[in-house]
Amino acid sequence: DAGVIQSPRHEVTEMGQEVTLRCKPISGHDYLFWYRQTMMRGLELLIYFNNNVPIDDSGMPEDRFSAKMPNASFSTLKIQPSEPRDSAVYFCASSLAAGRAGGPLREQYFGPGTRLTVT
Amino acid sequence: EDKVVQSPLSLVVHEGDTVTLNCSYEVTNFRSLLWYKQEKKAPTFLFMLTSSGIEKKSGRLSSILDKKELFSILNITATQTGDSAVYLCATTSGGGADGLTFGKGTHLIIQP
Repeated sequence: DAGVIQSPRHEVTEMGQEVTLRCKPISGHDYLFWYRQTMMRGLELLIYFNNNVPIDDSGMPEDRFSAKMPNASFSTLKIQPSEPRDSAVYFCASSLAAGRAGGPLREQYFGPGTRLTVT
Repeated sequence: EDKVVQSPLSLVVHEGDTVTLNCSYEVTNFRSLLWYKQEKKAPTFLFMLTSSGIEKKSGRLSSILDKKELFSILNITATQTGDSAVYLCATTSGGGADGLTFGKGTHLIIQP
């Protein structure tokens, strides 16, 4: 299995531009998560999907951020307009349900991340 | 708000030493605690713990959870330079909150 795939690996853009980050989860996984990592705040959950449906977007910082999952093998995280404080590494992760109702998910597998720099 | 606190924030030891990393948590409807290792890339999964007192072991690494005292430890014996990394502790909670809440991590440096 190729693991979680993210693109691009690095993105440098100017303030005000639209940025789109892409993720392909591990085949068969029914949960997909977007995280952001900065030195100041560590790793933070932004949003996650179950069976392509957004479940919790309370971590999305503001309306400039949006995420979609049009099908089971693809998700995007969009920032429009981007600002310098959005500079971070953005990780996508996927997971399987544990199979027992109400039980914990199995472990999450992380993609290589996209390092975003907004100047 | 769920909280995960790791200590120490950084640790420098010599190769061959044994280290213990700590993770305490305050989580509503706790479900599981996970340990990840992060080198200069994505976090890689180490352990998932859901029950108190049951040690999980993988080679020189082991971890245990105490749900009464709300903490977990990660032990690494006979450390090697390849163990140098940031070790992250994370929790999941119930009620549909399946995302991970991470601690800030412990930056472990193993000197030859």
